[in-house]
Amino acid sequence: RKEVEQDPGPFNVPEGATVAFNCTYSNSASQSFFWYRQDCRKEPKLLMSVYSSGNEDGRFTAQLNRASQYISLLIRDSKLSDSATYLCAVIAGNQFYFGTGTSLTVIP
Amino acid sequence: EAGVVQSPRYKIIEKKQPVAFWCNPISGHNTLYWYLQNLGQGPELLIRYENEEAVDDSQLPKDRFSAERLKGVDSTLKIQPAELGDSAVYLCASSSTGYTGELFFGEGSRLTVL
Repeated sequence: RKEVEQDPGPFNVPEGATVAFNCTYSNSASQSFFWYRQDCRKEPKLLMSVYSSGNEDGRFTAQLNRASQYISLLIRDSKLSDSATYLCAVIAGNQFYFGTGTSLTVIP
Repeated sequence: EAGVVQSPRYKIIEKKQPVAFWCNPISGHNTLYWYLQNLGQGPELLIRYENEEAVDDSQLPKDRFSAERLKGVDSTLKIQPAELGDSAVYLCASSSTGYTGELFFGEGSRLTVL
C-alpha cells in the first residue's frame, strides 16, 4: 500500500469554481503535511503547509483530519493560473512521501 | 539568491551507456535529496544526504546507481549502465535542516534512454 494516495484527476473546472482535492496517508504516526504545486515540466514548489487546526492562504484552504488520515486542499474562485498539478506530501518515519499529484485545469 | 541548480537539463542516451547528473544546492543547505519522477507520478526519493553523509539510500538501485556528495555541497548522481526504464526526470532538492517541510527543488534533469 502506498504511503500517500491521491486521486490523479484530471479535474477540469470553469473559472470561478470551487474545487477540492483529498489525499489519504497510511501511517498514523505521520508528523507533517504539505501541499506542493507543480506546473507542467517544472519543479514542485511548496504551496502551503497543513496544520492541525486548518489554515487558509487567500483562496486556498488546507485541512487535516488525523482520525480519518486525510488532508484536503480547497481552492475557491479558481483562476486560469491555478492550472497545475497539486501534490500532497507527508513526513512519516523521518522520510518525505509525495502523492502522485492531482491535475487541475481551469477553463475560461 | 540562486536556487538549486541542476545540469544537464536534458540528456538523451542509448541504453547501456553511462550518464551523470550534477546538483548544486542552495548555499547553506545541509540536506540534499535526489528524487526520481516518472510521468504522472509524484517524486520518489532515491537518496538523502545530511552534509556529506548518505543517511537514507534504501531506495537507490545500487547495482547501477551511485551518488556522492564529497564536500557536503554539490552532488552527482550516476547511472551505469542505463536501462530503458530509467527514462524519467531526476530532481535534486535541498533544505536547510533535515525535514523542515520546505524542499527547494531544482528544475530537474530529464533523461531519455533509447
